[in-house]
Amino acid sequence: SAVISQKPSRDICQRGTSLTIQCQVDSQVTMMFWYRQQPGQSLTLIATANQGSEATYESGFVIDKFPISRPNLTFSTLTVSNMSPEDSSIYLCSVEVGDRAGNEQFFGPGTRLTVL
Amino acid sequence: AQRVTQPEKLLSVFKGAPVELKCNYSYSGSPELFWYVQYSRQRLQLLLRHISRESIKGFTADLNKGETSFHLKKPFAQEEDSAMYYCALSSGGYNKLIFGAGTRLAVHP
Repeated sequence: SAVISQKPSRDICQRGTSLTIQCQVDSQVTMMFWYRQQPGQSLTLIATANQGSEATYESGFVIDKFPISRPNLTFSTLTVSNMSPEDSSIYLCSVEVGDRAGNEQFFGPGTRLTVL
Repeated sequence: AQRVTQPEKLLSVFKGAPVELKCNYSYSGSPELFWYVQYSRQRLQLLLRHISRESIKGFTADLNKGETSFHLKKPFAQEEDSAMYYCALSSGGYNKLIFGAGTRLAVHP
């Protein structure tokens, strides 16, 4: 299993500013994932972050808006840049643990972001 | 296109009644399907996965490739089953997940 913590747990930000969300895992993992859950909607994958390489972004998400760092095997950050009210969401990180037969994704508690 | 559909936003039942949360998927390869659950004030967690063919908390789900479905079932619902349930599809070589919109299960006494 994996225990994941995120900081901050919530924040209220002004339009045009940026916020960096931290994700810490209690074990070394190869891949970390960042998801967004907009109000009343499901989770959407933003990007996959591998240590030592650039993050892979999903369609509709770009590095300039959501830069990601992955400095080591237990930590990652997601920055939400130049925020607008449409960025108000819960942002979650997750990691995959286990082998091919029994892989499982563990999720962090989420960061609730409100943009005014 | 890869997609997961959960047609019901809310499913409301009484304690002891059978429950079936529907999930249909669209995927061109061999899918891996999961059910995740989020109880009130808790983080999202895995409930079960089709490759394990297991029963967790009385819930089961069978992958039906002909109907492209992975419905979640429980014969007798309990109040503690009240939660948000998400069906998810594993896609691509990195096991990234595609989630359905979710179904809120409310079990009344």
